[in-house]
Amino acid sequence: QSALTQPPSMSGSPGQSVTISCTGSSSDVGGYHRVSWYQQPPGTAPKLIIHEVSHRPSGVPDRFSGSKSGNTASLTISGLQADDEADYYCSSYTSSNTYVFGTGTKVTVL
Amino acid sequence: QVQLVQSGAEVKKPGASVKVSCKASGYTFTTYYIHWVRLAPGRGLEWMGMINPSAGNTNYPQRFQGRVTMTRDTSTSTVYMELSSLRPEDAAVYFCARERDSTFYFDYWGQGTLVTVSS
Repeated sequence: QSALTQPPSMSGSPGQSVTISCTGSSSDVGGYHRVSWYQQPPGTAPKLIIHEVSHRPSGVPDRFSGSKSGNTASLTISGLQADDEADYYCSSYTSSNTYVFGTGTKVTVL
Repeated sequence: QVQLVQSGAEVKKPGASVKVSCKASGYTFTTYYIHWVRLAPGRGLEWMGMINPSAGNTNYPQRFQGRVTMTRDTSTSTVYMELSSLRPEDAAVYFCARERDSTFYFDYWGQGTLVTVSS
């Protein structure tokens, strides 16, 4: 199972929006509504920010939103803030009854 | 509050095995699956498998089958992950994470355990 493809890095100024893509196949992202996103600041554990493509857990700001089209899922961070600087990973359940993560995207706030 | 507390850092030689623990508290241990995920330097997150603490059944991806073993002790609400035949590329931070039955996402994570593999 190959990792899902994400851009290695993205950046934006405070207040701007960034959209991170996560591309898989019909065996994972495209085949299920089971895509989640995790935020991982340096040296810390990942934190769930989106589940089931577009659902935010309690406590996650509505600046974070998720969507999916075909084999590609996307995470949008609106109104970028300094503490949004982190690595972001997507994850999907797969047809092999396994899980696969994305390659990760480092978000930098300029 | 929900907590997953992992054991401390380990240093192992190539060919050895490492066993990392993950102690759960703040919820009913048997109602959430426990997954193991690792983060190696310069590489992304990698899913290593899962265990159902209620029944003890496990699910490992093919690349780890034969090398990883996950077990649980319901008396102490602890899950263990043992990785054998360690190679330098197994050096990573290992995380446990929980999933409510068939929800397909990980809502709480342990703090991570650094495993160093060096001769």
